[in-house]
Amino acid sequence: EEQVEESGGGLVKPGGSLRLSCAASGFTFSNAWMTWVRQAPGKGLEWVGRVKSKANGGTIDYATPVKGRFTISRDDSKNTLYLQMNSLKIEDTAVYFCTTDLSGLREPPWGQGTMVTVSS
Amino acid sequence: DVVMTQSPLSLPVTLGQPASISCRSSQSLADSDGNTYLNWFQQRPGQSPRRLIYKVSNRDSGVPDRFSGSGSGTDFTLKISRVEAEDVGVYYCMQGTHGPLTFGGGTKVEIK
Repeated sequence: EEQVEESGGGLVKPGGSLRLSCAASGFTFSNAWMTWVRQAPGKGLEWVGRVKSKANGGTIDYATPVKGRFTISRDDSKNTLYLQMNSLKIEDTAVYFCTTDLSGLREPPWGQGTMVTVSS
Repeated sequence: DVVMTQSPLSLPVTLGQPASISCRSSQSLADSDGNTYLNWFQQRPGQSPRRLIYKVSNRDSGVPDRFSGSGSGTDFTLKISRVEAEDVGVYYCMQGTHGPLTFGGGTKVEIK
C-alpha cells in the first residue's frame, strides 16, 4: 500500500523557519514526482510545489506565494521529501500535506498532514 | 497563474438526486502532449483529500461509477448521478497543465 507520512510541523514566529519531512513507503520513491499541498484553517486546498523524479530532470516548481521562501528537496536514499520554509508569514499557517503526482495515472496517497502555525 | 473558478460555492442536494459542479479555467487546459490535465478531488469532513477523477474523465480505482467527469478546453463538469450520504464534503477541481498548478476554490456538497 502506498503511504506518506508528514512530520515536522509546529508553532513558529513570523520570520522564522521550519523544515517539514514526508516519509514515503509502498512505492518506488525515486521514480515518483512528489508534491506539497497546504490547507489554511477552514479554507481550500492550495498547491505549494512539486519536485519531479531525477529521471525526469528533478525539476522543482513553486506556487507564487512561496517562491523564494520555500525550498523542496528529496532524498531518494531515505525515501523522504522535505519542505524547507523560511521567512514564514502568518498566512503560511496551514496543514501541509505531501503526496505524489496529482495528475499521474496512479491515485496519489495522502497522509494526515502536519500543522504549521505562524504566530507571535 | 491559471485561475480555476468553481460554481456553485454550496450545493444542497436531496439524497438520490443528481448533482453537478462546474469548473472553469482562465486558459485552455489542453496540453501540447495531447492530454488535458484536469483533476477532481473530494474532501470529506475531517478527512484528507482524495482524488476522484484525473485527466477530465478517468475515475480512480474504487471510485463509484455514479461520479463522472467531462469537459474540454476551459469548461469542465463533475457529475454525481445519484447523491448518497457519503458524498457530503467539499469538491475541488485542479489543473495540472500550466505551472504553477492551481486548485479551484471548492464546492461544498450537503444534503438538504
